[in-house]
Amino acid sequence: QLQLQESGPGLVKPSETLYLTCTVSGGSISSVSYYWGWIRQPPGKGLEWIGSISYSVTTYSNPSLKSRVTMSVDTSKNQFSLKLNSVTAADTAVYYCARMTIRRDWGSWGQGTLVTVSS
Amino acid sequence: QTVVTQEPSFSVSPGGTVTLTCGLSSGSVSTSYYPSWYQQTPGQAPRTLIYSTNTRSSGVPDRFSGSILGIKAALTITGAQADDESDYYCALYMGSGIWVFGGGTKLTVL
Repeated sequence: QLQLQESGPGLVKPSETLYLTCTVSGGSISSVSYYWGWIRQPPGKGLEWIGSISYSVTTYSNPSLKSRVTMSVDTSKNQFSLKLNSVTAADTAVYYCARMTIRRDWGSWGQGTLVTVSS
Repeated sequence: QTVVTQEPSFSVSPGGTVTLTCGLSSGSVSTSYYPSWYQQTPGQAPRTLIYSTNTRSSGVPDRFSGSILGIKAALTITGAQADDESDYYCALYMGSGIWVFGGGTKLTVL
């Protein structure tokens, strides 16, 4: 059974870089059938798509975040990662990693990790 | 920037039927947007209910159904149960790899 698990610091200082990793188990990240993505949810608010990446490192990002987002894939570790630069309090959220199938289905999600931006 | 619209809140009686909608600030939703629907309870990750407009995800009861109604995507719950009380989000594929989620609908069953 596919499992995704986010990991990374729970506290980041303003203006610094948020770095998260998603470890995939029960399935290979190296498949042409999937995209791997990041979605976040500020406390008490709705979901926001951050970006997606394929194993071949084709990436797509939310236009509102594009200049601050970098995504990467490490097929040897079956992981993909998110870097978000120049964070502010507005970036405080639960960050989820997820898998999208070729049927355009965000069908598998990690449990989410809360990242707080504060000095 | 395109905004995906959902009703902020909705209420349904146990056993009743409710239809939640997902629209665009400009234009109509069609199957080309691959509308999908997600259920989220407090403290939990979202769970996929419907994708590609009307395909139920594995294990989702058939009382959940998706469709296009007029210019919006729709999620219909038939025979609502107490544990359907959740937040419901839709997502639309805008093309060029871009996704947009709606603001969510808080469904109350009472």
